[in-house]
Amino acid sequence: DAGITQSPRHKVTETGTPVTLRCHQTENHRYMYWYRQDPGHGLRLIHYSYGVKDTDKGEVSDGYSVSRSKTEDFLLTLESATSSQTSVYFCAISERSMDLAKNIQYFGAGTRLSVL
Amino acid sequence: AQSVTQLGSHVSVSEGALVLLRCNYSSSVPPYLFWYVQYPNQGLQLLLKYTTGATLVKGINGFEAEFKKSETSFHLTKPSAHMSDAAEYFCAAHRGTGAGSYQLTFGKGTKLSVIP
Repeated sequence: DAGITQSPRHKVTETGTPVTLRCHQTENHRYMYWYRQDPGHGLRLIHYSYGVKDTDKGEVSDGYSVSRSKTEDFLLTLESATSSQTSVYFCAISERSMDLAKNIQYFGAGTRLSVL
Repeated sequence: AQSVTQLGSHVSVSEGALVLLRCNYSSSVPPYLFWYVQYPNQGLQLLLKYTTGATLVKGINGFEAEFKKSETSFHLTKPSAHMSDAAEYFCAAHRGTGAGSYQLTFGKGTKLSVIP
């Protein structure tokens, strides 16, 4: 998984509780992404980061926040988890290159989150 | 906005038969195109990519895809299916230039079953 570690791999939590998912990379890539995967929807981008402290919203950002204080770590926080946030969450990374053909995204193994 | 459409959420083929998974994109500007594969309980793995140049792209595990600008398509094929090909396949695109160019838009996925 291209030096990407997601933690935890599985989590069960209750509605209304805060949850933080962590993505750690050892590739020193500039770009990091959080996606959620749901049946029938494919992967949808939640937030992404283009550098330390530089983040932006994706397609489905409501209810999520992110932080990136170090190149290697990208955190996804659900401030108050809801059942609709039950999903599989994937982190991805890509390097910034002048050769755009090299801007391939590599994915972690995912975190399966259940909100009861 | 860029959109990616995968025809057929589930495709079944017999072992040894041709695999054809369909993908169409919406952009009037040909994007960079990707096929990813996801095995059960794993992250996404890059199968192949099209950026520029040769329109027939070869990937791992015997898969290939052909970029057809006139049809806005990027279908994935494999001459002879193996049991190990059973997985979910995602087509994705990004613009390659401009704001947000590093963002990928994914299709909803096609689950491939291989019948012995």
